[in-house]
Amino acid sequence: KAGVTQTPRYLIKTRGQQVTLSCSPISGHRSVSWYQQTPGQGLQFLFEYFSETQRNKGNFPGRFSGRQFSNSRSEMNVSTLELGDSALYLCASSFQPGQGAPGANVLTFGAGSRLTVL
Amino acid sequence: EDQVTQSPEALRLQEGESSSLNCSYTVSGLRGLFWYRQDPGKGPEFLFTLYSAGEEKEKERLKATLTKKESFLHITAPKPEDSATYLCAVQAFQGAQKLVFGQGTRLTINP
Repeated sequence: KAGVTQTPRYLIKTRGQQVTLSCSPISGHRSVSWYQQTPGQGLQFLFEYFSETQRNKGNFPGRFSGRQFSNSRSEMNVSTLELGDSALYLCASSFQPGQGAPGANVLTFGAGSRLTVL
Repeated sequence: EDQVTQSPEALRLQEGESSSLNCSYTVSGLRGLFWYRQDPGKGPEFLFTLYSAGEEKEKERLKATLTKKESFLHITAPKPEDSATYLCAVQAFQGAQKLVFGQGTRLTINP
């Protein structure tokens, strides 16, 4: 069973540019979440999508946005990049938890996309 | 606001030397407490979920326990391959699938 796939794995951008990151969840998983990981702040929640709808959003500026497609694949976009946006961006997928479904809310993470902003 | 604090920040042990990692949390209605392991350059790898106080789970040399305010990850007779950063996270009933993570404990096992 394939895991969560993120592309690209590494990318370098300059300030002011924009970037789009892609995530393919595990087959059958309908919830996709995004996290930012930095040495200073650790792992911070960006947003979560389920059935193409954003269900929850973290405390990040509007420059950070995302979307989910009908096949559950997701993309996130960061516009007007700043130096502080340099980070590892992690995508995670999970089942939609249902009654009597233990472990259904376990998030499985991808390897991440490492963004460097110069 | 949901919050997770892990201690110590870093821990260095000799191979075979058992120890425990701590995760203190405050959450508005705990759905689950999660332990993940993260190796350098990789995404977090799921270890355990604990749902209620008193629950314990084991996997090889690792054992996770949960109280109403904290969780412990006990490592028995560790090996060098157990070296990694261990992350604790909580998921609340309010907030869909959102996880709130601690800063992690960086564990090094010397041979």
